[in-house]
Amino acid sequence: GENVEQHPSTLSVQEGDSAVIKCTYSDSASNYFPWYKQELGKGPQLIIDIRSNVGEKKDQRIAVTLNKTAKHFSLHITETQPEDSAVYFCAARTYNNNDMRFGAGTRLTVKP
Amino acid sequence: GAVVSQHPSRVICKSGTSVKIECRSLDFQATTMFWYRQFPKQSLMLMATSNEGSKATYEQGVEKDKFLINHASLTLSTLTVTSAHPEDSSFYICSARDSSGGYNEQFFGPGTRLTVL
Repeated sequence: GENVEQHPSTLSVQEGDSAVIKCTYSDSASNYFPWYKQELGKGPQLIIDIRSNVGEKKDQRIAVTLNKTAKHFSLHITETQPEDSAVYFCAARTYNNNDMRFGAGTRLTVKP
Repeated sequence: GAVVSQHPSRVICKSGTSVKIECRSLDFQATTMFWYRQFPKQSLMLMATSNEGSKATYEQGVEKDKFLINHASLTLSTLTVTSAHPEDSSFYICSARDSSGGYNEQFFGPGTRLTVL
């Protein structure tokens, strides 16, 4: 089955700097890669996703890149703000498969 | 994104009682819903997958007689923790898949914090 690894587990950046979180996956059949943001005491919120037919997707300050050959994908947050502080989870699954696997999470802290 | 609601948001109960948690997809139909459990500072652990009108599929190690799941309609799934014990205390999160339009995005509810005394 799919195995997703996520790094780093914690990340602290200064407000305005960029933050990058990386994930690797093991199942070459996986073709859907969402990213979720979870604030304390709340459920995960889908912030961006990418499918395997593209290498990069951007939405304002957030971008995701995918390298299918190397089986890794990354989340990039530019111009970070204190409200970006949260735990971020990457995930991977086959498009129509129910079995979505999550990374262990990255706790991002943006210092004002 | 689509909205998934969960109720209650927080529940405290005595050991031995049963607790029901509701999960609703508010603006889309979800043929598939998922139940996760999350311990502090850990990732989400899939407990079971429920498909509308059929029995839930449980992950290995999850007791189906203890965690009863019902997915009676395209917008509602319930999780009942039967005879709850302190070790069942956790954050339970439901998720629903929006299969309309073929995008298959998965959205999460706000979670339910269960504390068993």
